[in-house]
Amino acid sequence: DTGVSQDPRHKITKRGQNVTFRCDPISEHNRLYWYRQTLGQGPEFLTYFQNEAQLEKSRLLSDRFSAERPKGSFSTLEIQRTEQGDSAMYLCASSLSGASGNTIYFGEGSWLTVV
Amino acid sequence: AQSVTQLGSHVSVSEGALVLLRCNYSSSVPPYLFWYVQYPNQGLQLLLKYTSAATLVKGINGFEAEFKKSETSFHLTKPSAHMSDAAEYFCAVSDPNNDMRFGAGTRLTVKP
Repeated sequence: DTGVSQDPRHKITKRGQNVTFRCDPISEHNRLYWYRQTLGQGPEFLTYFQNEAQLEKSRLLSDRFSAERPKGSFSTLEIQRTEQGDSAMYLCASSLSGASGNTIYFGEGSWLTVV
Repeated sequence: AQSVTQLGSHVSVSEGALVLLRCNYSSSVPPYLFWYVQYPNQGLQLLLKYTSAATLVKGINGFEAEFKKSETSFHLTKPSAHMSDAAEYFCAVSDPNNDMRFGAGTRLTVKP
């Protein structure tokens, strides 16, 4: 069990550029989540996948945001035409469905700074 | 819709003193409740969780929490604070589909 890994850990980009984050979940986990966290706030749900299917998307996920999990393993979160308001930490998490109250395990997060 | 409210965005205690971080939940179904800790520039680490078994839940690092349905609360406690406990703590609630929602967090400061 190597845990949830995210890459890159930090990204500084200019406004208007596109950025992509990658998440590798715990290998046997079939659910994968993306959250966004800004300073002084708790994580806000963005979207989640069960296997390769994207089952829920928050209204926070504007059309500039897209997430994929093509083979049901790793996932990518792309932000197009970044804005300063996108500056935040993007957290990926994974869990195993099938039993209620399953623990969601988080990665270390990917910090995005838009300048 | 389910939600949690954490009372107090900042809590300061002296080393060795009792830690009490408050969390109240709202849920239309029997909830699953969690406490996570976050150290600076890191992700969230699970402290403990309640999944309808024992109402008093023991977690890592000496923390425990008690589920009180009548009060819709799930407060986190630790008898004696240590300097290493200084961090941000998040209460979270999920439904049987693992749809998890977090509180705004409580920053714990431990004074020497």
